[in-house]
Amino acid sequence: QSVLTQPPSVSAAPGQKVTISCSGRSSNIGNNYIFWYQQLPGTAPKLLIYDNNKRPSGIPDRFSGSKSGTSATLGITGLQTGDEADYYCGTWDSSLSANVVFGGGTKLTVL
Amino acid sequence: EVQLVQSGAEVKKPGESLRISCKGSGYSFTSYWISWVRQMPGKGLQWMGRIDPSDSYINYSPSFQGHVSISIDKSISTAYLQWSSLKASDTAMYYCAIGGGTAYFDYWGQGTLVTVSS
Repeated sequence: QSVLTQPPSVSAAPGQKVTISCSGRSSNIGNNYIFWYQQLPGTAPKLLIYDNNKRPSGIPDRFSGSKSGTSATLGITGLQTGDEADYYCGTWDSSLSANVVFGGGTKLTVL
Repeated sequence: EVQLVQSGAEVKKPGESLRISCKGSGYSFTSYWISWVRQMPGKGLQWMGRIDPSDSYINYSPSFQGHVSISIDKSISTAYLQWSSLKASDTAMYYCAIGGGTAYFDYWGQGTLVTVSS
């Protein structure tokens, strides 16, 4: 069971918008930056969002991140078939067992 | 260009030992912590721990403390993940990764698939 909770799957049609939620607690999302990864089949994860809402160079502005309290959201607009992938949220957990924690992942299907 | 190149796939038997590697290039090796992340077949990402190449300080996830060892050889810009006695449940893809922040990773290795089977 993952420390952060994500929906197992989401789906939407090409061109549409989708959001993926990530919920945690005060020791992780509530007091630390959130980040998001995209993992295409058979490849290593790729950083999409860091520090809640910043995009690394080369990541299109179709991808956005937000955080409120102990929850975060990844938004993807103008869906493309190439966006079909697994998406993971993550953050630092400041509890006694300080470490990086991830969500269980969300499979995005572009119908 | 920043690159993390990992050692090749391994097939081992339960009880055997193993060390896999991750060689960094294209950046100042001592400037970024190196983390290891496990992905079991069909499952999500699990952070195992990290090492600071500047002083070899290690921070393990409680879930992996005592089960694996992380080490480094600065002279060849290489980090290692080691098991003394593998179990079938260690079968997974293992990634090394580095990042500019406390908990995010900009660059990843290509992954090392470890298969443990009798």
